Amino acid sequence: SQKIEQNSEALNIQEGKTATLTCNYTNYSPAYLQWYRQDPGRGPVFLLLIRENEKEKRKERLKVTFDTTLKQSLFHITASQPADSATYLCALTTGFQKLVFGTGTRLLVSP
Amino acid sequence: EPEVTQTPSHQVTQMGQEVILRCVPISNHLYFYWYRQILGQKVEFLVSFYNNEISEKSEIFDDQFSVERPDGSNFTLKIRSTKLEDSAMYFCASRLAGATQETQYFGPGTRLLVL
Repeated sequence: SQKIEQNSEALNIQEGKTATLTCNYTNYSPAYLQWYRQDPGRGPVFLLLIRENEKEKRKERLKVTFDTTLKQSLFHITASQPADSATYLCALTTGFQKLVFGTGTRLLVSP
Repeated sequence: EPEVTQTPSHQVTQMGQEVILRCVPISNHLYFYWYRQILGQKVEFLVSFYNNEISEKSEIFDDQFSVERPDGSNFTLKIRSTKLEDSAMYFCASRLAGATQETQYFGPGTRLLVL
């Protein structure tokens, strides 16, 4: 069966450290993968998109990698800040561009 | 910066009643979507809409659901006879057309509570 798995447990890190979140998928062949941020009671906010022929993408303090052999994407936030505390969602796109989301990983950055 | 807007932000309704959730997508976007998120669960795709017709729908999107683009700016989701299990956050999203314009932009959501 098709699955998208993200760490269900919250990730607690200290301010200034690098947060690394994992997204693993099975039985998908996505053309691209997206990462979104979601705050409680709010809609997902787009962060980064990476295509299947790209290994890495960066935007300011954010970095995403995409390994289609391992079927895994890693999402990094460097120099993390308390304001980065949120739930981060991994989403794959299948045939007709619908997004299939993982359950999300909650990140807590402590001062 | 343009954004997707949704109204109302909250809706409380009685089981069996009809509700209409409204969305104003970003103005030059051509693909429109509805997703829902039951409390504590993941965001789930409901339906996609392009060129005035449904392009894909999920198993959740049964005959009780319908979508419409009644004019050039609004995109609506109607639930004809709400059930308790329809209680969720409903998100509208939109994106540009084009092979490299894959990013979907989400609205803030409508929290629907069915009593």
